[in-house]
Amino acid sequence: QSVLTQPPSVSAAPGQKVTISCSGSSSNIGNNYVSWYQQLPGAAPKLLIYDNNKRPSGIPDRFSGSKSGTSATLGITGLQTGDEADYSCGTWDNSLNGGVFGGGTKLTVL
Amino acid sequence: QITLKESGPTLVKPTQTLTLTCTLSGFSLSTSGVGVGWIRQPPGKALEWLALIFWDGDKRYSPSLKSRLTITKDTSKNQVVLTLSNMDPMDTATYYCAHRPSGWYYLEYWGQGTLVTVSS
Repeated sequence: QSVLTQPPSVSAAPGQKVTISCSGSSSNIGNNYVSWYQQLPGAAPKLLIYDNNKRPSGIPDRFSGSKSGTSATLGITGLQTGDEADYSCGTWDNSLNGGVFGGGTKLTVL
Repeated sequence: QITLKESGPTLVKPTQTLTLTCTLSGFSLSTSGVGVGWIRQPPGKALEWLALIFWDGDKRYSPSLKSRLTITKDTSKNQVVLTLSNMDPMDTATYYCAHRPSGWYYLEYWGQGTLVTVSS
């Protein structure tokens, strides 16, 4: 069981918007920055968002991140079939003194 | 350009010790604030954080696996080594190493991963 909680799956039509939630606690999300990772089928995870809402170079602005309290949200607008992937949140946990991940959310673009 | 590449056995027997090497390119683990972490992912399951070693030799381990894990670095070889003892079929997973930049915690660059199967 993952420390951070994500919905197992979300779906939306091409061109639409979707959000993926990530819930934690004061020992992790509440006092640390959140990052998001995209994992295309058969590939390694790729950094999508860091420091709650920053995008690495090359990541389109269709992807956004936010954090409030002990929860974080990944938003994807203008959905494309190529966005179908697993999305995982991650952060540091001060109690565990290590990194933690969410259980991952599978995005289906219908 | 930062890259990481995992190497090691693809098949290990139960009770054996797994040794994986992460070879770094494009950055030095002697740079202040930098770290290298190990993460694994059982087939069809979630990412699991395992360990992290910092530029200064400080180490962090997953509490649930701490007794079985060891992470070390060889800066001169640009390598980070992870060992996991007493392997079990439940340890079957793809193992990734990743670059942790200075600043707040996140994993910026990931290796391609290596699938390790535990079976007799």
